[in-house]
Amino acid sequence: GAGVSQSPSNKVTEKGKDVELRCDPISGHTALYWYRQSLGQGLEFLIYFQGNSAPDKSGLPSDRFSAERTGGSVSTLTIQRTQQEDSAVYLCASSYGTGQFDTQYFGPGTRLTVL
Amino acid sequence: RKEVEQDPGPFNVPEGATVAFNCTYSNSASQSFFWYRQDCRKEPKLLMSVYSSGNEDGRFTAQLNRASQYISLLIRDSKLSDSATYLCVVIRSSYKLIFGSGTRLLVRP
Repeated sequence: GAGVSQSPSNKVTEKGKDVELRCDPISGHTALYWYRQSLGQGLEFLIYFQGNSAPDKSGLPSDRFSAERTGGSVSTLTIQRTQQEDSAVYLCASSYGTGQFDTQYFGPGTRLTVL
Repeated sequence: RKEVEQDPGPFNVPEGATVAFNCTYSNSASQSFFWYRQDCRKEPKLLMSVYSSGNEDGRFTAQLNRASQYISLLIRDSKLSDSATYLCVVIRSSYKLIFGSGTRLLVRP
C-alpha cells in the first residue's frame, strides 16, 4: 500500500518568507508526527497529532512554527518568517496507534533551504 | 549531554566482517528501544525493536542492558548493502521517539 508522502520534496526560500510543508499519512493511521533533522543533529521531535488534536507541541522551536491536521488525515507544518537556522529536512511519520510498539513509518521528507 | 548518545563513526569494515555498535541513554525511565536504519538522503526505517532478553533477526542481533543503560547492535557477515547510518532510538512516553545522532557504517568490497 501507499506509504507516507510529503510535499514538496525540496523547498528553497528566502529569509523572512513563510513556507508550508504537507504530509499525507498512511490511510487509517490515527497518529501523525513531525520531526526535524538538521545537519549534524539527530532527528528531533516537533509535534504529534492524535486525530486532529495536537496533545504535544513541546518540540516546536518557536512561535513561528505551527501545524494543523484536518479530517484526521493531511497535516500542514507552517513556518513563518523563515530564518537560516530553519534549514533542515522535515520528516513526517504516522502510526496506527500510539502504543510504544506502534511502529512509526516515515515519509521521504521535505528538504528546506533558507537563503 | 544528549539523551541518546552514539559513536558517529564511520565504521569502515570489509565484506563478511562482524561489527558492533553501542548506544547509551541517560533517562532510566526510557521504556522501549529500537534500531532504525537510514540510507543517505532517505527516511529512517525501523530495523528492529530491542528487548531485554535480546533478540535476533537474521544477521542482526540487538541487546539491551537496563542496568548500564546501553543498547547494542551486532551485524554478522556484513554485506555492501548494510552501508547506512544506524540510529538508536528510545521512547520515554508512548509515542515520542528520541533519536541518537546515528552511527555510520561503510562496508567495503
